Amino acid sequence: NAGVTQTPKFQVLKTGQSMTLQCAQDMNHEYMSWYRQDPGMGLRLIHYSVGAGITDQGEVPNGYNVSRSTTEDFPLRLLSAAPSQTSVYFCASSQGLEQFFGPGTRLTVL
Amino acid sequence: LAKTTQPISMDSYEGQEVNITCSHNNIATNDYITWYQQFPSQGPRFIIQGYKTKVTNEVASLFIPADRKSSTLSLPRVSLSDTAVYYCLVGDIRDTGKLIFGQGTTLQVKP
Repeated sequence: NAGVTQTPKFQVLKTGQSMTLQCAQDMNHEYMSWYRQDPGMGLRLIHYSVGAGITDQGEVPNGYNVSRSTTEDFPLRLLSAAPSQTSVYFCASSQGLEQFFGPGTRLTVL
Repeated sequence: LAKTTQPISMDSYEGQEVNITCSHNNIATNDYITWYQQFPSQGPRFIIQGYKTKVTNEVASLFIPADRKSSTLSLPRVSLSDTAVYYCLVGDIRDTGKLIFGQGTTLQVKP
């Protein structure tokens, strides 16, 4: 099993551009989440999903959209990138009480 | 979701036992206590989880008093490779679909 995969690993955007961060898991997990981590800070929950077709907002959802059309995929869309969205983004999945995290996407918005 | 409070940072030396305490006064009846470890530039990794009393695995022990308002992660005989950030989380993702991370404790192990 590949576990949780994220693409791309690195991305540089200009202010106002849009993009999609990809997240996929091959463990058939129901629960998936997106977090962002700013330098020296803990992880903050952006959006989460409890199953295909169901998503909800976390602590910091503004500027981000998600969808969950399949169990495996949970893409995160930045609608109009801003410098404040410069961060490392982690995707996670779980079935029971343990969350499995992807390797992260490092995003810089200029 | 219950709020957690941990020390921001701790220092230790190789070979020592390290205890990191987390306070969670508002823990709910159904909540579990989970600890994650995060190395720089990596995603967090599950260490241990418990509901009450004591849990031990090959990496750590977790002590939870009867009132469950705090918990202590114990790392026996730490090495330099245990230098990381440790997060205490309280909740049950099966109930709410989400877990909230706090600031975590940065553990620095010195030679």
